[in-house]
Order: sequence, then structure tokens, then C-alpha cells
Amino acid sequence: DIQMTQSPSSLSASVGDRVTITCRASQGISNSLVWFQQKPGKAPKSLIYAASSLQSGAPSKFSGSGSGTDFTLTISSLQPEDFATYYCQQYYSYPLTFGQGTKVEIK
Amino acid sequence: EVQLLESGGGLVQPGGSLRLSCEASGFTFSNSAMTWVRQAPGKGLEWVSTSGGSTYYADSVKGRFTISRDNSKNTLYLQLNSLKAEDTAVYYCAKDLRRPWDAYWGQGTLVTVSS
Repeated sequence: DIQMTQSPSSLSASVGDRVTITCRASQGISNSLVWFQQKPGKAPKSLIYAASSLQSGAPSKFSGSGSGTDFTLTISSLQPEDFATYYCQQYYSYPLTFGQGTKVEIK
Repeated sequence: EVQLLESGGGLVQPGGSLRLSCEASGFTFSNSAMTWVRQAPGKGLEWVSTSGGSTYYADSVKGRFTISRDNSKNTLYLQLNSLKAEDTAVYYCAKDLRRPWDAYWGQGTLVTVSS
């Protein structure tokens, strides 16, 4: 199974900050990675797929990069509505696996 | 508009059974790989099972859960048997998680396993 490791597990940031979250796969997954945002009590919402492609409807402040085993999600200027938990997920092979999540909190 | 509506969750005793349903609309259900993902309270996301050209299960549920679908009713099912406390979670139905540009998630149904 491919293990997905996110860091950090949580972070505190201020409105307007640039935030970066990383995700590492235990083996190469090409660019088969998606980033989700999840708010309490809600289903996950896709932001980025294929490591760097912006999902339709997702704000352009979200960007992704990486290939192989190392990936990043960047939020260019954090806004109040961005405080949430973010997950990476590989879809290279079954079993599909998720990172453990990164909770972005208000400083 | 794509819609996925899960139902069938509830409170069940350890060792009991439950069947979850996911009613789909707004897309060609028979052409889509359909997946169940769960999330225990306060925890992360865990892939459970997928029905597409083949059927796949997480090791944690293999032999206890069965995924099935009725393409004539546009409905996905998950039969949960021999339930354990650690199966307590919100269960989400999702389409095309391996085609994420076309993916969609339902709002989830809560399964609580407790005596």
C-alpha cells in the first residue's frame, strides 16, 4: 500500500499569510494526487487534481506542485473561509490512500 | 446536477449488520466507478471500497463489508456485517475518485456501533 504523509499536522496562521502544506508518498505516484479541503460536518471538497490542476470552481489562491513522491499545496493569501482541514489523496493505485490531514487554524 | 444521497445509517450493536444506500442522479451511473469512504469522529478519511470494472476493499473491512450496485436503480450499496466499535464513522459515497476532475461526494450517513 502507498502511505501518504502530510506535514505539518496542524498550523496556526494569520489572515493574509501564505501557507504551504506538504505531502509525501511512500513510492512514486506520478502526478496522481488530489488535494481536498474539509470543513466540520461537511464532505471533502476537491481543490487540486493531477497534483497541479485547479478544480473547476476552486479559487485561484490555491495551487499545487510536485510529482513522483513529493507534493505541496499553497494558499497564496489565507482568508477566514480557508480555515479548515486539508487532505492529500493518491489515486495512482488501490487501495486509495489519504494523508492524515493538516488543520489550519487562526493565529 | 450531480447528486449523491446516502441513507441507511444509524445505531447498531457490536456484531450487528446494516445496509447503506447511495442514490445517484445527474450522471451516467453505470459508467462510473463508485466508492465508499469513511471518517471516524474527529479522525481522517479512510477509503473503504470501490465498485467499478472490478471490486476493491480495504483490508480493515474485507470479509465483513460487501459493496454492490443496481445500475437500473442508479443505487450503490454497502452491506456492513460483523460490525465493530471501530466501524463507527460517517460513511461517504463518492463517484470517480480516480478521475478527480469528474469526482463528486455525497454528504454522508452516520453509522454508530455501540451497545
